[in-house]
This record gives sequence, C-alpha cells and structure tokens, in this order.
Amino acid sequence: DAGVIQSPRHEVTEMGQEVTLRCKPISGHDYLFWYRQTMMRGLELLIYFNNNVPIDDSGMPEDRFSAKMPNASFSTLKIQPSEPRDSAVYFCASSLDPAPGGETQYFGPGTRLLVL
Amino acid sequence: RKEVEQDPGPFNVPEGATVAFNCTYSNSASQSFFWYRQDCRKEPKLLMSVYSSGNEDGRFTAQLNRASQYISLLIRDSKLSDSATYLCVVNNAGNKLVFGAGTILRVKS
Repeated sequence: DAGVIQSPRHEVTEMGQEVTLRCKPISGHDYLFWYRQTMMRGLELLIYFNNNVPIDDSGMPEDRFSAKMPNASFSTLKIQPSEPRDSAVYFCASSLDPAPGGETQYFGPGTRLLVL
Repeated sequence: RKEVEQDPGPFNVPEGATVAFNCTYSNSASQSFFWYRQDCRKEPKLLMSVYSSGNEDGRFTAQLNRASQYISLLIRDSKLSDSATYLCVVNNAGNKLVFGAGTILRVKS
C-alpha cells in the first residue's frame, strides 16, 4: 500500500489567501484524522472522521478552518482566509479502528504551510 | 497543566549507552498508551504500545504505572539511528490521541 498521501507537500501563500490541503487515507481505513504541528503547541488534533462523517471538530481553531470528506478516499482541510499564525505542518492520519487497544494511526508525510 | 508532559531534552548520549525517557499524563481515565517516534522533518510513526505489565521490543522497553500516571521508555545499546524525537501518546476515552511535546534524543559516535 502507498500509505497516507498528502498534497501539496509544501505551500507558501500570502495572508488572506485560501489554502486547501488534501489527503488520501490508506485504503480500507475507516478513520481519518487531521493534525497540526507547531514548535509552540506540538501536535494537536484538529478534527477526525469516521466513515466520512465528522465526529469531533473541537480542535478546529476557528471558523476560518473547515474540513470535508466527500468519500472514503479523499479529504480536504481548507483555511480561508489564511493568517501567518496558521503556518505549521499539517498531518493527515488514518486508521482501521483507533479504539483503545485497537489499531495504530498511520500518518502521511505532512504539508508544510507558510503564510506570509 | 498539559495533558501529557515530557522532558523536552535534548538527551545527548554516546553510542551504546542506555537512556530512559519519562512521561506523565493527567487524565486518570486514559485507556491506552503509546510511544511514537518522529524523525526530523518526517511524520510520527508508532514505536510501540505500552501495556500495564510492561513490554519489550528488542532494545526498547516500555513501562506503565497507572497509579502514578507515569509512562517510561528505556532504550538499551543506543544506535546512531535512534536519534529522533520520542512522543509519549495517550488515548483518552473516545478515539482521540493526545501527544506529548516530545523528547529529543541525540546519539553520538
């Protein structure tokens, strides 16, 4: 399997622009997670989906952030408008069943976002 | 207080050394525990799960103390390739992983 695929790998944009990050989970995985990693705050869960349905979006920082999962093989995280403080590495991860003691989460290579 | 706390390090050790990392968590209802490894500019990857009875995987030993809410990772015979950031991870009720900030390990020849 190719693993979790994310695109783009790097994104540089100007403040106020819309940014769309993409993720293709591992085939057959029921859960998809979006994380953000910064030096200051570490790795934070933004939102996760089960069978394409958003389950918990309590980590989404504010209304400028939105995520969708139109089908089992594709998800997007959108930031509109972007701000410099959104600069971070955004990871997508997927798993079969992350219930306690269940399957591990597999991370994609991440998208490095820089908002100028 | 952070949900998962780790000493950030860095731990600078020579090849062959034994090194131990500790982690504490605040939620007594936490149900499962892991150590992830993250190489520089790479994604986190599962190193090992942590079981109440303690578990070993080659040179790596993980321990859990639920009463003290404390998790440890011991690495024996350190290799240069062990240099990375080690993330302590806790799964609370539900399906959310909470990551510690990580401990940096540098193994030098």
